[in-house]
Amino acid sequence: EAQVTQNPRYLITVTGKKLTVTCSQNMNHEYMSWYRQDPGLGLRQIYYSMNVEVTDKGDVPEGYKVSRKEKRNFPLILESPSPNQTSLYFCASSLRGDTQYFGPGTRLTVL
Amino acid sequence: AQTVTQSQPEMSVQEAETVTLSCTYDTSENNYYLFWYKQPPSRQMILVIRQEAYKQQNATENRFSVNFQKAAKSFSLKISDSQLGDTAMYFCAFVNPLTGGGNKLTFGTGTQLKVEL
Repeated sequence: EAQVTQNPRYLITVTGKKLTVTCSQNMNHEYMSWYRQDPGLGLRQIYYSMNVEVTDKGDVPEGYKVSRKEKRNFPLILESPSPNQTSLYFCASSLRGDTQYFGPGTRLTVL
Repeated sequence: AQTVTQSQPEMSVQEAETVTLSCTYDTSENNYYLFWYKQPPSRQMILVIRQEAYKQQNATENRFSVNFQKAAKSFSLKISDSQLGDTAMYFCAFVNPLTGGGNKLTFGTGTQLKVEL
């Protein structure tokens, strides 16, 4: 089954404790992105990648890191999480940068 | 910068009836893609339908169809024979893969649709 997977689906952590949210797709897509969804602010792009080893900032990259060492994986790293990073996070992938397919989401709470 | 506007924060429809959700967008680009995504209570983002701007024919997917008016920059979603499972937040979204920002989707603020018995 073609899909985008994210882990964990739910995470509660404390300020400053490094965490990684994994994202994997099995569709051989070139493009991958991370978005966060917040009430009243909608979905905003954090980082994107157009190919292996090619990543760039989106609209809200502060406090996040990403890497793209393999085509299928695009982890999101929060090295020192803060409460303002409490959000619903989505990974998405796309073959050519047009139609994007989303993972199930990761609900992160930073205390 | 592109913007997407959904002017109906909430809508309701009776089961089996038809409902239309509105979306307008602003762009200076000529080639782009438009989408409707559905977000049910599970919070997953599900692609409902897509439209390529260079295609004049309106896209359809089973009970879902769009009315794409390129000159007016309007992209409405029609849901026919509404079902209880259609209850969700619906987002209109825009992307131009060729512009800076890679594949960034620009989303509207959403329309919460409730299908009632």
